[in-house]
Amino acid sequence: AQKVTQAQTEISVVEKEDVTLDCVYETRDTTYYLFWYKQPPSGELVFLIRRNSFDEQNEISGRYSWNFQKSTSSFNFTITASQVVDSAVYFCALSEARSGGYNKLIFGAGTRLAVHP
Amino acid sequence: IAGITQAPTSQILAAGRRMTLRCTQDMRHNAMYWYRQDLGLGLRLIHYSNTAGTTGKGEVPDGYSVSRANTDDFPLTLASAVPSQTSVYFCASSATGDSSYNEQFFGPGTRLTVL
Repeated sequence: AQKVTQAQTEISVVEKEDVTLDCVYETRDTTYYLFWYKQPPSGELVFLIRRNSFDEQNEISGRYSWNFQKSTSSFNFTITASQVVDSAVYFCALSEARSGGYNKLIFGAGTRLAVHP
Repeated sequence: IAGITQAPTSQILAAGRRMTLRCTQDMRHNAMYWYRQDLGLGLRLIHYSNTAGTTGKGEVPDGYSVSRANTDDFPLTLASAVPSQTSVYFCASSATGDSSYNEQFFGPGTRLTVL
Protein backbone atom coordinates (compact mmCIF):
# COMPACT_ATOMS: atom_id res chain seq x y z
CA ALA A 1 0.00 0.00 0.00
CA GLN A 2 1.09 3.56 -0.59
CA LYS A 3 1.98 5.53 2.46
CA VAL A 4 4.02 8.60 3.37
CA THR A 5 5.22 9.08 6.91
CA GLN A 6 6.52 12.33 8.30
CA ALA A 7 7.35 11.35 11.85
CA GLN A 8 8.24 14.85 13.00
CA THR A 9 5.04 16.68 13.81
CA GLU A 10 6.73 19.92 14.84
CA ILE A 11 10.29 21.20 14.81
CA SER A 12 11.50 24.38 16.44
CA VAL A 13 14.89 25.88 15.64
CA VAL A 14 16.70 29.16 16.05
CA GLU A 15 17.57 31.17 12.98
CA LYS A 16 20.74 30.05 11.15
CA GLU A 17 20.47 26.49 12.41
CA ASP A 18 20.36 23.69 9.87
CA VAL A 19 17.27 21.50 10.01
CA THR A 20 16.29 18.24 8.32
CA LEU A 21 12.72 17.17 7.72
CA ASP A 22 12.28 13.44 7.39
CA CYS A 23 10.06 11.64 4.90
CA VAL A 24 9.68 7.88 4.61
CA TYR A 25 7.47 6.33 1.97
CA GLU A 26 6.02 2.94 1.11
CA THR A 27 5.19 1.77 -2.38
CA ARG A 28 5.12 -1.46 -4.33
CA ASP A 29 5.86 0.25 -7.62
CA THR A 30 9.31 0.55 -9.15
CA THR A 31 8.35 3.78 -10.89
CA TYR A 32 7.10 6.58 -8.72
CA TYR A 33 7.58 10.26 -7.99
CA LEU A 34 8.20 12.11 -4.78
CA PHE A 35 7.33 15.72 -4.06
CA TRP A 36 7.82 18.32 -1.38
CA TYR A 37 5.35 21.16 -0.86
CA LYS A 38 5.58 24.15 1.48
CA GLN A 39 2.54 25.66 3.19
CA PRO A 40 3.44 29.04 4.73
CA PRO A 41 1.18 30.71 7.31
CA SER A 42 -0.78 32.35 4.50
CA GLY A 43 -2.14 28.90 3.69
CA GLU A 44 -1.34 28.25 0.05
CA LEU A 45 0.65 25.18 -1.00
CA VAL A 46 3.84 25.85 -2.90
CA PHE A 47 5.55 23.18 -4.98
CA LEU A 48 9.24 22.80 -4.08
CA ILE A 49 10.62 19.75 -5.85
CA ARG A 50 9.82 16.59 -7.77
CA ARG A 51 12.07 13.53 -7.88
CA ASN A 52 11.54 10.33 -9.88
CA SER A 53 12.43 6.92 -8.56
CA PHE A 54 15.25 6.40 -11.06
CA ASP A 55 17.17 9.49 -10.08
CA GLU A 56 18.87 9.18 -6.72
CA GLN A 57 21.11 12.17 -7.14
CA ASN A 58 20.83 14.65 -4.35
CA GLU A 59 19.58 18.07 -5.33
CA ILE A 60 20.52 21.46 -4.01
CA SER A 61 18.64 24.68 -4.59
CA GLY A 62 20.08 27.57 -2.65
CA ARG A 63 19.66 26.79 1.04
CA TYR A 64 17.44 23.79 0.27
CA SER A 65 18.72 20.30 -0.39
CA TRP A 66 17.07 16.94 -0.80
CA ASN A 67 18.49 13.50 -0.06
CA PHE A 68 16.74 10.63 -1.83
CA GLN A 69 17.72 7.11 -0.73
CA LYS A 70 15.80 4.21 -2.22
CA SER A 71 17.55 1.75 0.09
CA THR A 72 15.81 3.31 3.08
CA SER A 73 12.74 4.62 1.19
CA SER A 74 13.49 8.11 2.37
CA PHE A 75 13.35 11.53 0.77
CA ASN A 76 14.62 13.96 3.38
CA PHE A 77 14.68 17.72 3.08
CA THR A 78 17.37 19.90 4.64
CA ILE A 79 17.27 23.65 5.09
CA THR A 80 20.70 25.16 5.69
CA ALA A 81 21.05 28.33 7.73
CA SER A 82 17.31 28.51 8.38
CA GLN A 83 15.49 31.83 8.29
CA VAL A 84 12.26 33.03 9.85
CA VAL A 85 10.65 32.99 6.39
CA ASP A 86 11.18 29.23 6.30
CA SER A 87 8.53 28.85 9.00
CA ALA A 88 5.80 26.77 7.42
CA VAL A 89 4.25 23.33 7.26
CA TYR A 90 6.11 21.08 4.85
CA PHE A 91 4.45 18.15 3.13
CA CYS A 92 6.08 15.19 1.46
CA ALA A 93 3.97 13.40 -1.16
CA LEU A 94 4.16 10.24 -3.30
CA SER A 95 2.73 9.58 -6.74
CA GLU A 96 2.89 6.18 -8.42
CA ALA A 97 3.15 5.67 -12.16
CA ARG A 98 0.33 3.11 -12.14
CA SER A 99 -2.18 5.13 -10.20
CA GLY A 100 -5.41 3.85 -11.67
CA GLY A 101 -6.06 6.54 -14.20
CA TYR A 102 -5.31 9.69 -12.34
CA ASN A 103 -2.43 11.60 -10.86
CA LYS A 104 -2.89 10.39 -7.30
CA LEU A 105 -0.84 12.21 -4.70
CA ILE A 106 -0.51 10.61 -1.29
CA PHE A 107 0.48 13.21 1.29
CA GLY A 108 2.21 12.80 4.59
CA ALA A 109 0.70 14.46 7.63
CA GLY A 110 3.15 17.35 7.39
CA THR A 111 5.89 18.77 9.59
CA ARG A 112 5.42 22.20 11.11
CA LEU A 113 8.71 24.09 11.20
CA ALA A 114 9.05 27.14 13.41
CA VAL A 115 12.19 29.23 12.98
CA HIS A 116 12.73 31.72 15.77
CA PRO A 117 14.88 34.87 15.55
CA ILE B 1 -2.03 36.49 -12.86
CA ALA B 2 -2.13 32.86 -13.91
CA GLY B 3 -3.21 30.38 -11.30
CA ILE B 4 -6.14 28.99 -9.40
CA THR B 5 -8.82 31.00 -7.64
CA GLN B 6 -11.21 29.66 -5.06
CA ALA B 7 -14.34 31.18 -3.58
CA PRO B 8 -15.37 31.85 -0.95
CA THR B 9 -12.25 32.35 1.16
CA SER B 10 -14.13 31.16 4.21
CA GLN B 11 -17.66 30.23 5.11
CA ILE B 12 -19.66 29.30 8.18
CA LEU B 13 -22.53 27.02 7.31
CA ALA B 14 -25.42 25.52 9.23
CA ALA B 15 -25.65 21.74 9.17
CA GLY B 16 -28.03 20.48 6.53
CA ARG B 17 -27.44 23.37 4.16
CA ARG B 18 -26.23 22.98 0.61
CA MET B 19 -22.95 24.65 -0.33
CA THR B 20 -20.89 24.94 -3.49
CA LEU B 21 -17.21 25.78 -3.38
CA ARG B 22 -15.97 27.35 -6.56
CA CYS B 23 -12.65 26.75 -8.30
CA THR B 24 -11.35 28.32 -11.50
CA GLN B 25 -7.97 27.90 -13.17
CA ASP B 26 -6.53 29.80 -16.11
CA MET B 27 -3.57 27.58 -16.89
CA ARG B 28 -5.52 25.42 -19.36
CA HIS B 29 -4.68 22.37 -17.28
CA ASN B 30 -6.60 19.25 -18.19
CA ALA B 31 -6.74 17.77 -14.70
CA MET B 32 -8.27 19.23 -11.57
CA TYR B 33 -8.64 17.97 -8.02
CA TRP B 34 -10.34 18.71 -4.73
CA TYR B 35 -8.62 17.97 -1.43
CA ARG B 36 -9.52 18.49 2.17
CA GLN B 37 -6.88 19.29 4.75
CA ASP B 38 -7.38 18.20 8.34
CA LEU B 39 -4.90 18.51 11.19
CA GLY B 40 -2.68 15.47 11.48
CA LEU B 41 -4.02 13.91 8.30
CA GLY B 42 -2.37 15.98 5.60
CA LEU B 43 -4.37 16.41 2.40
CA ARG B 44 -6.84 13.80 1.21
CA LEU B 45 -8.31 13.64 -2.26
CA ILE B 46 -12.07 14.04 -2.51
CA HIS B 47 -12.73 14.02 -6.26
CA TYR B 48 -10.75 14.53 -9.41
CA SER B 49 -11.27 15.22 -13.10
CA ASN B 50 -8.78 14.19 -15.77
CA THR B 51 -10.45 16.29 -18.45
CA ALA B 52 -13.58 18.32 -19.08
CA GLY B 53 -16.64 16.11 -18.97
CA THR B 54 -15.15 13.40 -16.76
CA THR B 55 -14.89 13.05 -12.99
CA GLY B 56 -13.80 10.38 -10.53
CA LYS B 57 -13.83 9.58 -6.84
CA GLY B 58 -10.82 10.01 -4.62
CA GLU B 59 -10.17 8.72 -1.12
CA VAL B 60 -12.98 10.53 0.73
CA PRO B 61 -15.81 11.25 -1.73
CA ASP B 62 -18.85 10.61 0.48
CA GLY B 63 -21.05 13.67 0.94
CA TYR B 64 -19.46 15.55 -1.96
CA SER B 65 -20.14 15.88 -5.66
CA VAL B 66 -18.33 17.62 -8.51
CA SER B 67 -18.90 18.58 -12.11
CA ARG B 68 -16.57 19.58 -14.92
CA ALA B 69 -18.52 21.33 -17.63
CA ASN B 70 -15.44 23.05 -19.07
CA THR B 71 -11.67 23.12 -18.68
CA ASP B 72 -11.49 26.06 -16.31
CA ASP B 73 -14.10 25.37 -13.64
CA PHE B 74 -14.42 22.57 -11.12
CA PRO B 75 -17.06 23.26 -8.44
CA LEU B 76 -17.41 21.09 -5.34
CA THR B 77 -20.87 20.70 -3.83
CA LEU B 78 -21.86 19.59 -0.36
CA ALA B 79 -25.48 18.54 -0.76
CA SER B 80 -26.30 18.53 2.95
CA ALA B 81 -23.39 19.71 5.09
CA VAL B 82 -22.42 17.92 8.29
CA PRO B 83 -20.02 19.06 11.04
CA SER B 84 -17.43 16.45 10.00
CA GLN B 85 -17.05 18.37 6.75
CA THR B 86 -15.50 21.25 8.65
CA SER B 87 -12.11 21.54 6.98
CA VAL B 88 -9.92 23.55 4.67
CA TYR B 89 -10.62 22.71 1.06
CA PHE B 90 -8.01 23.02 -1.65
CA CYS B 91 -8.54 22.92 -5.37
CA ALA B 92 -5.57 21.88 -7.52
CA SER B 93 -4.72 21.34 -11.15
CA SER B 94 -2.06 19.62 -13.23
CA ALA B 95 -1.20 19.64 -16.88
CA THR B 96 -2.48 16.12 -17.40
CA GLY B 97 -4.34 13.74 -15.16
CA ASP B 98 -2.91 10.41 -16.19
CA SER B 99 0.74 11.14 -15.65
CA SER B 100 2.09 10.95 -12.14
CA TYR B 101 5.02 13.06 -13.27
CA ASN B 102 3.12 16.31 -13.22
CA GLU B 103 3.20 18.46 -10.16
CA GLN B 104 -0.09 19.80 -8.95
CA PHE B 105 -0.68 23.51 -8.44
CA PHE B 106 -2.93 24.54 -5.59
CA GLY B 107 -5.43 27.30 -5.00
CA PRO B 108 -5.45 29.42 -1.83
CA GLY B 109 -8.02 27.25 -0.08
CA THR B 110 -11.50 27.68 1.38
CA ARG B 111 -11.97 27.39 5.13
CA LEU B 112 -15.38 25.84 5.79
CA THR B 113 -16.99 25.52 9.20
CA VAL B 114 -20.19 23.51 9.56
CA LEU B 115 -22.11 24.11 12.77
